[in-house]
Amino acid sequence: EVQLVESGGGLVKPGGSLRLSCAASGFTFSSYSMNWVRQAPGKGLEWVSSISSSSSYIYYADSVKGRFTISRDNAKNSLYLQMNSLRAEDTAVYYCARDQRGGSCYDYWGQGSLVTVSS
Amino acid sequence: DIQMTQSPSSLSASVGDIVTITCRASQSISSYLNWYQQKPGKAPKLLIYAASSLQSGVPSRFSGSGSGTDFTLTISSLQPADFATYYCQQSYSTPKTFGQGTKLEI
Repeated sequence: EVQLVESGGGLVKPGGSLRLSCAASGFTFSSYSMNWVRQAPGKGLEWVSSISSSSSYIYYADSVKGRFTISRDNAKNSLYLQMNSLRAEDTAVYYCARDQRGGSCYDYWGQGSLVTVSS
Repeated sequence: DIQMTQSPSSLSASVGDIVTITCRASQSISSYLNWYQQKPGKAPKLLIYAASSLQSGVPSRFSGSGSGTDFTLTISSLQPADFATYYCQQSYSTPKTFGQGTKLEI
């Protein structure tokens, strides 16, 4: 069974940093591109960042470029999102999501990790 | 960036109804269109990919159609479990933008 479990969320002050993790199981993690998608309270879904299976290709939303860094450790079946210079508008539930093999949709999602940026 | 616009933003319907949700892209995206269902407090769930392909395990009452800029998600014979928020997403180009969502209420 495919499982994605996020961790690392919490309350952080504006300007602070946080690192999210996503532990993957039930599939060959190293064969799949992965993504982070966020959802602000009461709002819609926003794509944040993507990383290819071998980390060769990395993309960011303009809203986080230069502040967030996506990475992965295929040996540990883990995906990460390092978030620096956090702002109030980064407050959201952050989901990790798997790219469908051969497709371009997100076929499995984690349960989400809440990040709250507030003083 | 490609903008995705869903209509309506909210919709009231009854069990057994047929419901159609529309998604329009700001430019042609061929068939690179996906639909997700999200229930309160839960992660989104993939329903339809590539405009009309049903994800494994999704009931056949869900169907998708369209290409280019205009797409529809149809739910035939609404069930209680279908009351949720639905999002379209284009996967033609990065950033893979989502529509604003359509809340389907009883």
